[in-house]
Amino acid sequence: DQQVKQNSPSLSVQEGRISILNCDYTNSMFDYFLWYKKYPAEGPTFLISISSIKDKNEDGRFTVFLNKSAKHLSLHIVPSQPGDSAVYFCAASGTGGFKTIFGAGTRLFVKA
Amino acid sequence: GAGVSQSPSNKVTEKGKDVELRCDPISGHTALYWYRQSLGQGLEFLIYFQGNSAPDKSGLPSDRFSAERTGGSVSTLTIQRTQQEDSAVYLCASTLSLFSNQPQHFGDGTRLSIL
Repeated sequence: DQQVKQNSPSLSVQEGRISILNCDYTNSMFDYFLWYKKYPAEGPTFLISISSIKDKNEDGRFTVFLNKSAKHLSLHIVPSQPGDSAVYFCAASGTGGFKTIFGAGTRLFVKA
Repeated sequence: GAGVSQSPSNKVTEKGKDVELRCDPISGHTALYWYRQSLGQGLEFLIYFQGNSAPDKSGLPSDRFSAERTGGSVSTLTIQRTQQEDSAVYLCASTLSLFSNQPQHFGDGTRLSIL
């Protein structure tokens, strides 16, 4: 049972354009959501997070949107840069955050 | 170092052998997590530690897998009688404490290949 789903295995975007990565979840007890970025042969690194009490969080070129009623969140990267090419994981945790559930990841290609 | 350290970075072994993977978390981090990423898959949660205690072992794939943590710091993940399906990247992460919403800090993983 996949509680966190990233339905797009890959996404290709032109440099300078917007990248939108999507994530759906099924467990209404999740109250904290994170995005991680992973380069080959490295561990995931934290990118941005959002609490369920908010619907938007912005950090530079990265914005995460949360739609609780739809159990959907998205990561927007504007403008996209070639260095953004990586695998992006969506993750969710419940109260206490002791067990974080990760999606399968979306591989982003940003073309120069 | 300042980050989570895992060793070895790569391990190739024959089917049926035992392997031990090591994770050294960030100093002062009381919570530690193990994940597995099989080829083309997402991160599969295996086990977490709060201090030296592992309250939930349900994520371990089989009884061939075990993990321990001593001194509230270094953790080892042991796989006995390895099988080819154990081939994966094993990732370790840590956080300052368990009961708060914090991003996890990951090591670069151990790539395990079972021949």
